[in-house]
Amino acid sequence: QQPVQSPQAVILREGEDAVINCSSSKALYSVHWYRQKHGEAPVFLMILLKGGEQKGHEKISASFNEKKQQSSLYLTASQLSYSGTYFCGTRRPGNTGKLIFGQGTTLQVKP
Amino acid sequence: NAGVTQTPKFRVLKTGQSMTLLCAQDMNHEYMYWYRQDPGMGLRLIHYSVGEGTTAKGEVPDGYNVSRLKKQNFLLGLESAAPSQTSVYFCASSYSVGEQFFGPGTRLTVL
Repeated sequence: QQPVQSPQAVILREGEDAVINCSSSKALYSVHWYRQKHGEAPVFLMILLKGGEQKGHEKISASFNEKKQQSSLYLTASQLSYSGTYFCGTRRPGNTGKLIFGQGTTLQVKP
Repeated sequence: NAGVTQTPKFRVLKTGQSMTLLCAQDMNHEYMYWYRQDPGMGLRLIHYSVGEGTTAKGEVPDGYNVSRLKKQNFLLGLESAAPSQTSVYFCASSYSVGEQFFGPGTRLTVL
C-alpha cells in the first residue's frame, strides 16, 4: 500500500534539474509532497488533488496523473538549499485521515 | 504560537518498560497523527485522530495505543517496549486533509 518513489537517491550540481516520481497501485484522491532536512522534521511543499492538477512554487512544481496513479516532483535549476529527503504522501478516496508516505528520495545538490 | 511540540525529545527504555509520548498543538487542528521513521522506510503512520475523542489505526499500530482526550493533545503509549520500537517518532497535526505540520520528533531507544 506504500507508494513507491524513484529514484531512491540523486546527486546534482547546482543549476541542474531533477524529477522525483511517486507511484501507487491504488486509486488516489490526493498526493502530498514534503521535504526533510537531516535531523529536522518534514516540511510541507505542496498538495495535488485528483484532476491532473499541477502546482508550483518558484522552481519546484509537481503534477498528478490520477489515471496512472502517479505524481512527479520537478526541481528546476536546483539550489544547495534543495538538498534533503523528499517524501510523497498519498491519500485514497474515502480515507479522510490516512496519509501514507513513500520511502523517500534523497537529493544532494553540490556546488 | 509554538506549533506542534513533542515531549520528551530523547528517551532510552529497557525492554518491557512502558512510556507515553505527548504531542501538543496550539493551532486548533482537528486531525493529529503519530508516525515512526526508520532508515530506508520513510514515515509510517501508527495511529491518527480526526477529532477529539476519536482514534484510528494506521499502517503499523501493533504495540502502540493512543488517546485524544483533549483536542490539543495526542498521546502515544508503549505498554511493553521492544527493541523493534527503537525509532524516531513524529507527531503531526492538520486542520483537515491538507498540509500537515510536524513536531520536532522524539528519538526513542529500546535496549
